[in-house]
Amino acid sequence: DTGVSQDPRHKITKRGQNVTFRCDPISEHNRLYWYRQTLGQGPEFLTYFQNEAQLEKSRLLSDRFSAERPKGSFSTLEIQRTEQGDSAMYLCASSFQGPNQPQHFGDGTRLSIL
Amino acid sequence: QKEVEQDPGPLSVPEGAIVSLNCTYSNSAFQYFMWYRQYSRKGPELLMYTYSSGNKEDGRFTAQVDKSSKYISLFIRDSQPSDSATYLCAMGETGANNLFFGTGTRLTVIP
Repeated sequence: DTGVSQDPRHKITKRGQNVTFRCDPISEHNRLYWYRQTLGQGPEFLTYFQNEAQLEKSRLLSDRFSAERPKGSFSTLEIQRTEQGDSAMYLCASSFQGPNQPQHFGDGTRLSIL
Repeated sequence: QKEVEQDPGPLSVPEGAIVSLNCTYSNSAFQYFMWYRQYSRKGPELLMYTYSSGNKEDGRFTAQVDKSSKYISLFIRDSQPSDSATYLCAMGETGANNLFFGTGTRLTVIP
């Protein structure tokens, strides 16, 4: 399968703990995006990378959130000191470089905060 | 007011029916438009991509964009039970990197 891969698929943790998610984009894509989706809502943009550079962050990305994409390949999203409101599906997408390229999504990591 | 409005449904139709799904938007800078299908506990799957106004057809699916009315549609012909999913519209500005999504319409096709 050459689609976007995310790991883990489901993470359950206690409030206050740190969690880290991983995304492996489609290999030919140099743009990578993170979105958050809550129940009954569409995905909301969090941040975007072109190669290893993080070029845009949403106001939704509080200082407890950090994303990296070392070497321009896979990416990680870390949430520190998790809160109940962080419970959501975290989706990763990738695309080719260039204006208005369609974004292809992975199956997400579902985060549940106890 | 949200930038993208989409009726959440749910929508139930008999197998073989024509389905019409719609979104409206307020940002006139949106230039490219997509429809995604999302099955339960899965990520969004790209169905249709359209730039600017007009129609695009792919098999049983037709996407329409009316920029003058800020209105986009997805039509599904000869609907199948396997089409049962949530359909999300998404759109973006030229040169921008983030997409704006509707809330999704949950569709059930009854055999």
